[in-house]
Amino acid sequence: SAVISQKPSRDICQRGTSLTIQCQVDSQVTMMFWYRQQPGQSLTLIATANQGSEATYESGFVIDKFPISRPNLTFSTLTVSNMSPEDSSIYLCSVEGAGGYYNEQFFGPGTRLTVL
Amino acid sequence: SQQGEEDPQALSIQEGENATMNCSYKTSINNLQWYRQNSGRGLVHLILIRSNEREKHSGRLRVTLDTSKKSSSLLITASRAADTASYFCATASGETSGSRLTFGEGTQLTVNP
Repeated sequence: SAVISQKPSRDICQRGTSLTIQCQVDSQVTMMFWYRQQPGQSLTLIATANQGSEATYESGFVIDKFPISRPNLTFSTLTVSNMSPEDSSIYLCSVEGAGGYYNEQFFGPGTRLTVL
Repeated sequence: SQQGEEDPQALSIQEGENATMNCSYKTSINNLQWYRQNSGRGLVHLILIRSNEREKHSGRLRVTLDTSKKSSSLLITASRAADTASYFCATASGETSGSRLTFGEGTQLTVNP
């Protein structure tokens, strides 16, 4: 599998501010994804981050609120903009096609965000 | 709409017993993956089963897939207290690579020592 790290692991932020979450993989991967897990709920896909092109967002998620960068094959960032308490969630990145596993998706440890 | 539904929502068993969790989905899939999550941390990948497979084993885990019924089950044998966690199924459909996962609601498993 892949070793995936996320920074920060957790943060407490004020309403109206923005937070950028970093995701680093120890090998080059084509596909990276960002998910949100609201308290007590399952995971929902925010967007697919493709290197060299714009991210593809799922219904209900927009680029102005969740801008994503993918500058190379091992790194991506997700920004949560103009935060409100409803954005309090765990944000997770995942990768596909790492370590010789073609279809398996492996997840980072997550970033626990609390918005006051 | 959410693809997967899991049952039970919560399961409490004694150490040494077997635990079975079920997952149902609505559309055709390329594969189905099971994950474990401890206390709101990151997800640990357990096993992937492809749409043309019916059963897979990995250690104490056994996964079945019935595409005609659009359902899957995860069996954990000889459970341990350390197996206490939330278990999620996730389906991949569409392109064969770069598949977006749709997660079920999860089953909270508690294994009592």
